[in-house]
Amino acid sequence: EIVMTQSPATLSVSPGERATLSCRASQSIHRNLAWYQQKPGQAPRLLIYGASTRATGIPARFSGSGSGTEFTLTISSLQSEDFAVYYCQQYNYWLTFGGGTKVETK
Amino acid sequence: EVQLVESGGALVQPGGSLRLSCAASGFTFSSYSMNWVRQAPGKGLEWVSYMDSDSTTIYYTDSVKGRFTISRDNAKNSLYLQMNSLRDVDTAVYYCARGGLGSSTTHLDYWGQGTLVTVSS
Repeated sequence: EIVMTQSPATLSVSPGERATLSCRASQSIHRNLAWYQQKPGQAPRLLIYGASTRATGIPARFSGSGSGTEFTLTISSLQSEDFAVYYCQQYNYWLTFGGGTKVETK
Repeated sequence: EVQLVESGGALVQPGGSLRLSCAASGFTFSSYSMNWVRQAPGKGLEWVSYMDSDSTTIYYTDSVKGRFTISRDNAKNSLYLQMNSLRDVDTAVYYCARGGLGSSTTHLDYWGQGTLVTVSS
């Protein structure tokens, strides 16, 4: 099983600031990585796939990078609607999710 | 518009069984792989099972192997999860999520709103 580790568990950021979330895979997953956003009481929403491709309708302030075992999701200027939990997911071998990073208001 | 609507969640006793359904619309269901993902209360996401578009490739996470069975009916645009020998650790919201075309595991681009399964005596 490929283990996905996200850090930090909680990120405190002020609106308008930049947020950088990390995701590490226990072995190389090439670029087979997706990022999701989940708000309380809602289903997850796909943000990024293929490590860096934005899904349909996702604002340009969301960007993904990385390959192999190290990946990053960057939110360039946090908006109020961006405070949520973010999950990475690998699909190189079956599917596994990271434990999530909660982005909260500083 | 792509829609996925889960149903079948309920309160069930340990050792009991339940069948979840996911009704799909707005896309050619028979062309896409499908998945079940669950989320225990206050916890993260856990992938449960995968089935490719023509039901030939199936995967399960280890904790449900031998107890859960995924299936689909492409004529009815529906995905199912038969859950037997339920345990309290299976308590979660269960989401149905669309995968990719054909038979490769991939990102999940559409999700239902979920159905709650509670296993308790």
